[in-house]
Amino acid sequence: GEDVEQSLFLSVREGDSSVINCTYTDSSSTYLYWYKQEPGAGLQLLTYIFSNMDMKQDQRLTVLLNKKDKHLSLRIADTQTGDSAIYFCAEIDSGTYKYIFGTGTRLKVLA
Amino acid sequence: SQTIHQWPATLVQPVGSPLSLECTVEGTSNPNLYWYRQAAGRGLQLLFYSVGIGQISSEVPQNLSASRPQDRQFILSSKKLLLSDSGFYLCAWSAMGGGETQYFGPGTRLLVL
Repeated sequence: GEDVEQSLFLSVREGDSSVINCTYTDSSSTYLYWYKQEPGAGLQLLTYIFSNMDMKQDQRLTVLLNKKDKHLSLRIADTQTGDSAIYFCAEIDSGTYKYIFGTGTRLKVLA
Repeated sequence: SQTIHQWPATLVQPVGSPLSLECTVEGTSNPNLYWYRQAAGRGLQLLFYSVGIGQISSEVPQNLSASRPQDRQFILSSKKLLLSDSGFYLCAWSAMGGGETQYFGPGTRLLVL
């Protein structure tokens, strides 16, 4: 079956850049997503990238997609304490159109 | 704009008791609806999805059931809760069709004692 992998933890200092990585398996996924989950809350859609793009930038967020390696990354510039959360990447199964989520990366921002 | 609601926000229930969690969506018609469970410290597991009233697909065999009595209402139920049903339950919606972006509700935290 399909599997989306993420590292479990990342710790950065306030003001530094954070890079959260994700590997996916369905090369036919049309969209890949990044969601943010703050403690005790639901998932908030941060950004997404269409599979024919290599990069997408949205304010402090930069998404890079390497289709050859099936690697997706989310870079957060000037990381703030409010960015502390769990970040999930997700791909769409091209056969069923269901989301396949990674296990989430817990980002901790140190003041 | 579209909004999605879930209630209750938190729930503590004894083992063997029934369960009913509700999810409603506003501002859209004919949405696809989803129930996910997030166990502590883990990712999301898709439990059920629905493409229309009365149409429910179950992803994993379990102690839970889902129903969609109205277009924008999705209910997660159980007749008898187990300890292993504890977790964070998330409802999501997407536009009709395949491969659409999913938007999540605030979640319900369920603790079964």
